[in-house]
Amino acid sequence: SQQGEEDPQALSIQEGENATMNCSYKTSINNLQWYRQNSGRGLVHLILIRSNEREKHSGRLRVTLDTSKKSSSLLITASRAADTASYFCATDEYGGSQGNLIFGKGTKLSVKP
Amino acid sequence: DAEITQSPRHKITETGRQVTLACHQTWNHNNMFWYRQDLGHGLRLIHYSYGVQDTNKGEVSDGYSVSRSNTEDLPLTLESAASSQTSVYFCASSGIDEKLFFGSGTQLSVL
Repeated sequence: SQQGEEDPQALSIQEGENATMNCSYKTSINNLQWYRQNSGRGLVHLILIRSNEREKHSGRLRVTLDTSKKSSSLLITASRAADTASYFCATDEYGGSQGNLIFGKGTKLSVKP
Repeated sequence: DAEITQSPRHKITETGRQVTLACHQTWNHNNMFWYRQDLGHGLRLIHYSYGVQDTNKGEVSDGYSVSRSNTEDLPLTLESAASSQTSVYFCASSGIDEKLFFGSGTQLSVL
């Protein structure tokens, strides 16, 4: 069953702009992860945020987590054409099987030069 | 460098045939996973393994099987391929840091 739901499904921006993607989930979690998928390739891990963390940064990426609202957001600042990809959130459910992540359907980001 | 490789990259088969997709990782990870990716469904878990001789069913396991005879390999077998199993299949592995490392995928078409 789907746990995370990303919003929007698709996002088109100009190079240099910021991109914000949101993820909502249904149950308590141990951690939430974001992945990127370039067309025709496998997913690549971007960032992991634990349930007791509220914000995390990695380069141009900023992830927030609000466990009371069961939501997370991924912000990409100063976007580049190379950021064009699909972005997925994945949750590690509290009480679930170890390492068994449940993925959302993804946000397709298009960054125009 | 450590990596996870899948083969073949593309496979066309006929309905009813047995098909095996290979997955090999050199991360020395205990955990390995098989997902399928379909438009409108995202990634769905098929089977997973936490170590040698351990296998578990995921959300969409019907019609699929796996075996884990060593740490490096988790082959996925479609016992009798069906058109509904046309999909892109991804293998992944993870260690203690809980991050998944994915292979490049296998595009399977069942005609």
